[in-house]
Amino acid sequence: EPEVTQTPSHQVTQMGQEVILRCVPISNHLYFYWYRQILGQKVEFLVSFYNNEISEKSEIFDDQFSVERPDGSNFTLKIRSTKLEDSAMYFCASSGQVLSYGYTFGSGTRLTVV
Amino acid sequence: GENVEQHPSTLSVQEGDSAVIKCTYSDSASNYFPWYKQELGKGPQLIIDIRSNVGEKKDQRIAVTLNKTAKHFSLHITETQPEDSAVYFCAARLNFGNEKLTFGTGTRLTIIP
Repeated sequence: EPEVTQTPSHQVTQMGQEVILRCVPISNHLYFYWYRQILGQKVEFLVSFYNNEISEKSEIFDDQFSVERPDGSNFTLKIRSTKLEDSAMYFCASSGQVLSYGYTFGSGTRLTVV
Repeated sequence: GENVEQHPSTLSVQEGDSAVIKCTYSDSASNYFPWYKQELGKGPQLIIDIRSNVGEKKDQRIAVTLNKTAKHFSLHITETQPEDSAVYFCAARLNFGNEKLTFGTGTRLTIIP
């Protein structure tokens, strides 16, 4: 079964440093997303991406965040200057044009900011 | 925007019994309602979904019911097994294009052997 692949599985970074979280969505999917989950809380929407541009972003997704699809397969989330409160699980997801399957989520990157 | 409430937050069920988790949503325009199972350290996995033109959907031991008028939907797991232990999230969205999912707060289900 096709999978969404995320790397790394765990990243520890110092406050103020830049991090890039990487995702390889399912190959024939058209819509890409980032969500995050602070420990013990619900999954929250960050941003959606379609046709090489951001479709929608939440209020969490401020100027410190950016997304990019640098080639035909990768989808990245960059946090420019990490804060302690950015510590969370970050999930990438993708979906096809016809939503008969729902999203497929990756297994996540646990980001720890120290 | 959409708001999804989920109850209960924790649920313990004897193995073999049924479990029911309930969600309500606020935006009457939402028309797609998936349920996700999340095991420790893993991403949410879609287990069943329902669209607003259907009142009930069943897949083996799992079923989902939807009441559009009341804006609530429920997950039913019958003949529960230890491997059903996980956190379950409901969600709602508009079913087209790239609309975002709004998740409920999650239910930690524990199956007691």
